[in-house]
This record gives sequence, structure tokens and C-alpha cells, in this order.
Amino acid sequence: GENVEQHPSTLSVQEGDSAVIKCTYSDSASNYFPWYKQELGKGPQLIIDIRSNVGEKKDQRIAVTLNKTAKHFSLHITETQPEDSAVYFCAARPRYTDKLIFGTGTRLQVFP
Amino acid sequence: GAVVSQHPSWVICKSGTSVKIECRSLDFQATTMFWYRQFPKQSLMLMATSNEGSKATYEQGVEKDKFLINHASLTLSTLTVTSAHPEDSSFYICSARDRDLRGGRGHGEAFFGQGTRLTVV
Repeated sequence: GENVEQHPSTLSVQEGDSAVIKCTYSDSASNYFPWYKQELGKGPQLIIDIRSNVGEKKDQRIAVTLNKTAKHFSLHITETQPEDSAVYFCAARPRYTDKLIFGTGTRLQVFP
Repeated sequence: GAVVSQHPSWVICKSGTSVKIECRSLDFQATTMFWYRQFPKQSLMLMATSNEGSKATYEQGVEKDKFLINHASLTLSTLTVTSAHPEDSSFYICSARDRDLRGGRGHGEAFFGQGTRLTVV
């Protein structure tokens, strides 16, 4: 079955710097890759996603890139702000299932 | 994005009692809902997949008689923790997948509720 690895587990950056979180997946049939932001005590919030027919997607300060050949995808946050501090999860959905397989999460801290 | 409402946000119950958690998709239809459990500082663990009008599919190791799931309509799924014990204390989160109007799989985002903190004393 699908397996998703996520790195790093923790990431600390200065406000204004960029942050990059990377995930790799094992099932080449996976075709949907969302990213979620989870704040303390709350449910995950979908922040951006990408499908396998696209290599890059951008939404203001957030971008996601997908390399199907290498089976990895990354989240890029530019001009980080303290309110970006949270736990970020990547996920992959294999083609013939409804399930999302989650990475282990990255705790991002943005220091003012 | 779409809104998924989960209720209650927190509950404290006595050992041996049952607790029901509701998950509603407010502005979209969800043929599929998911229930997760999350331990502190860990990832989301899928417990079961709930399809409207049919029995839920449980992940390996999850007791279906203890975690009863009902998906009565396209906008509502419930999780009942029966005969709760302290080890059931956890953060439970539901997710609803936006209905794929184009047919087939591989489409439709999944949106999460705000979670329910269950404490069994």
C-alpha cells in the first residue's frame, strides 16, 4: 500500500524567510496530493493541493511542486509570518481509493 | 473551502457510558466521510470510511462494535464510542469528501471538521 514520508519533523525559521517541507510517496498510482495546516486543538485545514497532471501550483505565498518521476512533492511557504506557525501534513491519495495517506507532520515555528 | 461542522468540540464522560459525535457537511454533499483518531503530537490515524446508506469500512485493528458509525444522509455521519474507557480518550476528527459530480475517482477535496476532544474519566 501507499506510504508517505515527510521531512523535516520540526522546522524553525525567522519571520520573512522561506520554509520548505518535503514528502515522498511510494505508490506511483497516487494522483492527488493535498497539504493541510493544523493549529493546536483544531482540525486540519486544506491549504493547497495538486493533482498528478500538474507539476506546480501556487496560491499567494504558498506553492506546491510535484515530481512524479521521483515520487516526491514539496510545500513552499515564502515570506513566512508568525501566524504560519502550525503543524503541516502532506497526504497522498492512491488512484482507486477514497483514502488519504498522511505523512507524519512537520511542526513549523516562525519567530518574529 | 467547504465547511465541515463537528459537534461537540469537547466532551467529558464517565467510564462505561457512550458518547456520540456528529459530523456535518454544511454546504456540500459528501458521499464519503472519514473518521480519524489523533494522539498528541502524532499524525492522523484513519479509523473508518463511512459511505452514505451503507455500512462503514473499518481499518484493521479498529473495533467496529466499540466505534459505531452511521452515515444516514449525504450531509451527516455520526461516531458513537460505546462503553467508553480512559484509553479511548483522544482527539477524534471527521472528514468529508466533496462529492465528485464528474464521476469516477481521483477528484473531490476532503475537508475536516474542527475535531472533538474526548476525555473519559
